Amino acid sequence: DTAVSQTPKYLVTQMGNDKSIKCEQNLGHDTMYWYKQDSKKFLKIMFSYNNKELIINETVPNRFSPKSPDKAHLNLHINSLELGDSAVYFCASRDRGVRSYYTFGSGTRLTVV
Amino acid sequence: QQQVKQSPQSLIVQKGGISIINCAYENTAFDYFPWYQQFPGKGPALLIAIRPDVSEKKEGRFTISFNKSAKQFSLHIMDSQPGDSATYFCAASGVRGGGADGLTFGKGTHLIIQP
Repeated sequence: DTAVSQTPKYLVTQMGNDKSIKCEQNLGHDTMYWYKQDSKKFLKIMFSYNNKELIINETVPNRFSPKSPDKAHLNLHINSLELGDSAVYFCASRDRGVRSYYTFGSGTRLTVV
Repeated sequence: QQQVKQSPQSLIVQKGGISIINCAYENTAFDYFPWYQQFPGKGPALLIAIRPDVSEKKEGRFTISFNKSAKQFSLHIMDSQPGDSATYFCAASGVRGGGADGLTFGKGTHLIIQP
């Protein structure tokens, strides 16, 4: 059983397209996150959702929008993709009552051509 | 402004040796300091974590040393093995914004254990 699953694992798309990455967790956690890992492997938080409420929104372009249909899912929509959006995107989750043990998905490698 | 500084960027250690990775933080609101291990094509996986009320935590071959006054913490891998070759990230988190918080990562250390 995969605790945090992301789809797709790889995504290649052209500049200007709109794409989505899906994330699901079966851990019963109530907080989910999106992180971006750039080509130098630097991991930076993008968004956090807690009980369908956006908690953290770092300096991310508004072309990126998280959508959470329920507590177990946090999808990432990206509009008008740019070359600089190429990166690995990780979904993660955590139990708000336990400020530890973030669990990460295996990542989605997005390549914009 | 980088809130968690990690060094070295890369590290080569002989099998059986001790690998040491250091991190320093700036935000005194941080109160949880995990280390993550990442293999190519995989997500970061929690290795070991510490809270600032203790100065050291050991789990098997992995030890975190924590110096609250200096705002520094380090990871020691004893008897390093080729299977430990991976990228290691230190991180920190603290309460901000509604009680939820995310991890602030260091830039990572690429560790190679030579057989």
